[in-house]
Amino acid sequence: KNQVEQSPQSLIILEGKNCTLQCNYTVSPFSNLRWYKQDTGRGPVSLTIMTFSENTKSNGRYTATLDADTKQSSLHITASQLSDSASYICVVADEGFQKLVFGTGTRLLVSP
Amino acid sequence: GAVVSQHPSRVICKSGTSVKIECRSLDFQATTMFWYRQFPKKSLMLMATSNEGSKATYEQGVEKDKFLINHASLTLSTLTVTSAHPEDSSFYICSALPLAGNTDTQYFGPGTRLTVL
Repeated sequence: KNQVEQSPQSLIILEGKNCTLQCNYTVSPFSNLRWYKQDTGRGPVSLTIMTFSENTKSNGRYTATLDADTKQSSLHITASQLSDSASYICVVADEGFQKLVFGTGTRLLVSP
Repeated sequence: GAVVSQHPSRVICKSGTSVKIECRSLDFQATTMFWYRQFPKKSLMLMATSNEGSKATYEQGVEKDKFLINHASLTLSTLTVTSAHPEDSSFYICSALPLAGNTDTQYFGPGTRLTVL
């Protein structure tokens, strides 16, 4: 069964600190993996996308890694800001880019 | 670029009434749009895939007669929740797959919060 699991479920960090979110997947065949940021009451916004051959992708303070052999990905947030408080969702496309398998997300709270 | 809008952003209705939610791709054309629902603290669940000019494909367990989908143009898809009940209260999100350009990327709308009293 295609699944995407994320950890931790929730996380509280102080403003300015770094954090890393984890994603494990069993989706096969694999097309790409994306990390989305979803603010409360809003739709998801794409942060990074990685294909099978990519190991790392950065977008500002966000850096995603992918190990296709172990089927693991991480999202590292550097120098966190209050506006980083949101849910971060790992999403894997299994084929054709249409069928997406969503993780349950990590709820991040950045406190002052 | 690649902006998707939804209207309304939130709606409150009485039980038994029908509610229509619009999803528009503002600056690109999309032959395929998707409808998701999301319960509090849960991830998005795909309800149906909407293709322009043809019938929508519904996921298992989603009643097609209750959730009517119309994709009449390359920039507009609508979801109508018929005879809404309190258990239909949820956050509904659409996404659109561009016809050209980043054809491997679904762009999500901001969502519609439906509350059925």
